[in-house]
Amino acid sequence: GQNIDQPTEMTATEGAIVQINCTYQTSGFNGLFWYQQHAGEAPTFLSYNVLDGLEEKGRFSSFLSRSKGYSYLLLKELQMKDSASYLCAVSPNDYKLSFGAGTTVTVRA
Amino acid sequence: SAVISQKPSRDICQRGTSLTIQCQVDSQVTMMFWYRQQPGQSLTLIATANQGSEATYESGFVIDKFPISRPNLTFSTLTVSNMSPEDSSIYLCSVETGNVKNIQYFGAGTRLSVL
Repeated sequence: GQNIDQPTEMTATEGAIVQINCTYQTSGFNGLFWYQQHAGEAPTFLSYNVLDGLEEKGRFSSFLSRSKGYSYLLLKELQMKDSASYLCAVSPNDYKLSFGAGTTVTVRA
Repeated sequence: SAVISQKPSRDICQRGTSLTIQCQVDSQVTMMFWYRQQPGQSLTLIATANQGSEATYESGFVIDKFPISRPNLTFSTLTVSNMSPEDSSIYLCSVETGNVKNIQYFGAGTRLSVL
């Protein structure tokens, strides 16, 4: 089975930085994904890591350590529109995704 | 990426009835997936639908309850059969385009309420 853990909620101030951690134990590993989901909307793809290290994409960065079963999503220069749920997902094989429960980030003025 | 249209966007149904949800993609894709997202929870994979073969169901989901069709490379349907209030959920389809392996793109979802 798959076990993917991430914090339930985080709160931060506009302009600040927030780091969302994700730990996983899966039967296989074919990549780790982060999705953003605003309330009532579909998840949208943010980032993908398959090798160890940091992937940077504008204000968002994602890090992976395969040996530790650990990833984080870093959100910089937070904006109000970043208030959303952030889903960590692991691909244990060639095509499936297993999702964590999601972290609800609230950005306050 | 891909543009995914899902219909209906929402519905309210009576117990014991069935609802068929449609998912249309703007390009040909090999793999399509159906998920359920219950209120306040994350996504749970129901089944994988490949064109030309039977859908592959995850543990806890059966074909009699959630029959799936995949008649071509751009379209799929999921039927929620003999509905009960416990089936109230958001149902989402997703596709993997194959451009970057395993990245899935999601439709906007169908919000189902069963009375």
